[in-house]
Amino acid sequence: QKEVEQNSGPLSVPEGAIASLNCTYSDRVSQSFFWYRQYSGKSPELIMSIYSNGDKEDGRFTAQLNKASQYVSLLIRDSQPSDSATYLCAVTMGTSYDKVIFGPGTSLSVIP
Amino acid sequence: KAGVTQTPRYLIKTRGQQVTLSCSPISGHRSVSWYQQTPGQGLQFLFEYFSETQRNKGNFPGRFSGRQFSNSRSEMNVSTLELGDSALYLCASSWGGQGQNIQYFGAGTRLSVL
Repeated sequence: QKEVEQNSGPLSVPEGAIASLNCTYSDRVSQSFFWYRQYSGKSPELIMSIYSNGDKEDGRFTAQLNKASQYVSLLIRDSQPSDSATYLCAVTMGTSYDKVIFGPGTSLSVIP
Repeated sequence: KAGVTQTPRYLIKTRGQQVTLSCSPISGHRSVSWYQQTPGQGLQFLFEYFSETQRNKGNFPGRFSGRQFSNSRSEMNVSTLELGDSALYLCASSWGGQGQNIQYFGAGTRLSVL
């Protein structure tokens, strides 16, 4: 089993719709969870971090964490063409805050 | 505040050569992590340095090594290059202490091995 898995893409949504990105992880004691966005040819940039169970909202983005199910998701409301990118889920392994493992990414296309 | 700086941005090497990549973290950040990104394997963790010590390590062969200097700058070395080492190498810096660390990435070094 891979340490961090994401729903396979590519994912296509129409402009204005909600995009839902999912991620599962293998380590039950993971502490920190991140969503990064990576545009083609660019380096990853942080969108959201979440550390406690529940929802965390930041503008059009909502991260959801369920540690019991080892599941973290990202919802993008009112999707825009500029949201078209690869979304990477990242998880710290074990009790280390600094070994960050990334999922394979989900490619999102927002169709105008 | 300056971001994470990686040099060089592009490199072309031939099989069997060695290469050294450099990463200057954000001022005040003491942790530097290195990643290899390829289309087939995604973003793979190489290693993480904190206070000049390798604190975490991924599953890469010993040809991949690194070090960190007292000013937190880090270098990564790959010896006896193979074609499969062609990739984007990214470094990320973070505060490094216990807590909710967030990693900030540099622009990367694109290595092509011919």
